[in-house]
Amino acid sequence: GNSVTQMEGPVTLSEEAFLTINCTYTATGYPSLFWYVQYPGEGLQLLLKATKADDKGSNKGFEATYRKETTSFHLEKGSVQVSDSAVYFCALRHGGATNKLIFGTGTLLAVQP
Amino acid sequence: DSGVTQTPKHLITATGQRVTLRCSPRSGDLSVYWYQQSLDQGLQFLIQYYNGEERAKGNILERFSAQQFPDLHSELNLSSLELGDSALYFCASSVGQWGMNTEAFFGQGTRLTVV
Repeated sequence: GNSVTQMEGPVTLSEEAFLTINCTYTATGYPSLFWYVQYPGEGLQLLLKATKADDKGSNKGFEATYRKETTSFHLEKGSVQVSDSAVYFCALRHGGATNKLIFGTGTLLAVQP
Repeated sequence: DSGVTQTPKHLITATGQRVTLRCSPRSGDLSVYWYQQSLDQGLQFLIQYYNGEERAKGNILERFSAQQFPDLHSELNLSSLELGDSALYFCASSVGQWGMNTEAFFGQGTRLTVV
């Protein structure tokens, strides 16, 4: 079945460090891929998305490229801030008669000043 | 603010009881989704409704049921509650039921604690 695997956290970084959170997926066909962010005490917010191979999603300095050959969608940011501290979820949406999302387990990012 | 409203924000109840969680989707959205976030299971899709009709079912227990009303709000009913049902329950909504551009917007969740 379809699934998403992302690196376990927590990931602890100093401000202005480079961030990578790995995400790989298993799916038939051509899913759409997403990164959602959950700030403390809040709901999920869409951070970025990519709908086909080689697409790059970007938002707020974060980027992720849909790599079909490696079935990956790694999240990167060149210089993290304390305000980026949150839980990040990788997700896929498979085509077909439903719009449901399949999420990874989430990765907690803690950025220290 | 995503525009998706969930009530209540917090709920504490005893085992064996029944609760109802409510979700108001964004204006114009016809699809509603329910997800459960627990420490051991992570974020799991429960069920989807589109314009009042059930569209997809995930890992939803038989003790749980949902519906979407004509005004498009949705309710998730949890009965015969067990300690393991303690979780954060999210509602999300989107314009359509499937397709490339039907982004899901999430509410802030209802935290259910079963004691």
